[in-house]
Amino acid sequence: GENVEQHPSTLSVQEGDSAVIKCTYSDSASNYFPWYKQELGKGPQLIIDIRSNVGEKKDQRIAVTLNKTAKHFSLHITETQPEDSAVYFCAASLPSNSGYALNFGKGTSLLVTP
Amino acid sequence: ETGVTQSPTHLIKTRGQQVTLRCSSQSGHNTVSWYQQALGQGPQFIFQYYREEENGRGNFPPRFSGLQFPNYSSELNVNALELDDSALYLCASSILAGGPPDTQYFGPGTRLTVL
Repeated sequence: GENVEQHPSTLSVQEGDSAVIKCTYSDSASNYFPWYKQELGKGPQLIIDIRSNVGEKKDQRIAVTLNKTAKHFSLHITETQPEDSAVYFCAASLPSNSGYALNFGKGTSLLVTP
Repeated sequence: ETGVTQSPTHLIKTRGQQVTLRCSSQSGHNTVSWYQQALGQGPQFIFQYYREEENGRGNFPPRFSGLQFPNYSSELNVNALELDDSALYLCASSILAGGPPDTQYFGPGTRLTVL
């Protein structure tokens, strides 16, 4: 099955700085890569996603890049704000007969200090 | 808010008991996936339902079972509860239309504690 690794597990940045979270996946057939933000006591919230036919996608302060050859993808948050503090998860999905499961990384706890 | 609702919010059970968790999917969505999230971990895929049929299953034993109803809402049933079943149970709804999967939108989860 698909194995997703995520780094770092914790990340602390000052307000206004950039934050980068990196993920690698094992199955080259994976074709969909969403990123979720999870605040304490809440379910994961989709913040951005990318499909395998695209190398980069941007939405205001958030961008995701995908390198299919190296099988890794990254989340970039610019001009971080304290409200960006949360746990971020990357995931990968591959087409199969076993349903379109999301395989998640273990998460990155991001702390943005004022 | 995603429009995906789950009930109950919290639940406490003892070992050996059975539990049923419920999920209402976002309007227009025909697929529901269930995930288990242990403390400090990423969600783990349990199974997915599409048009009332199981459409895929992760590495979970048969005592984890589910249903999807004609209105696309869903239930997760867990029999013979074990201490390790303590976790946040998440459902996610999406649209499956014969092509690539659409985005999965998560509900707030049900926190299950097994004593």
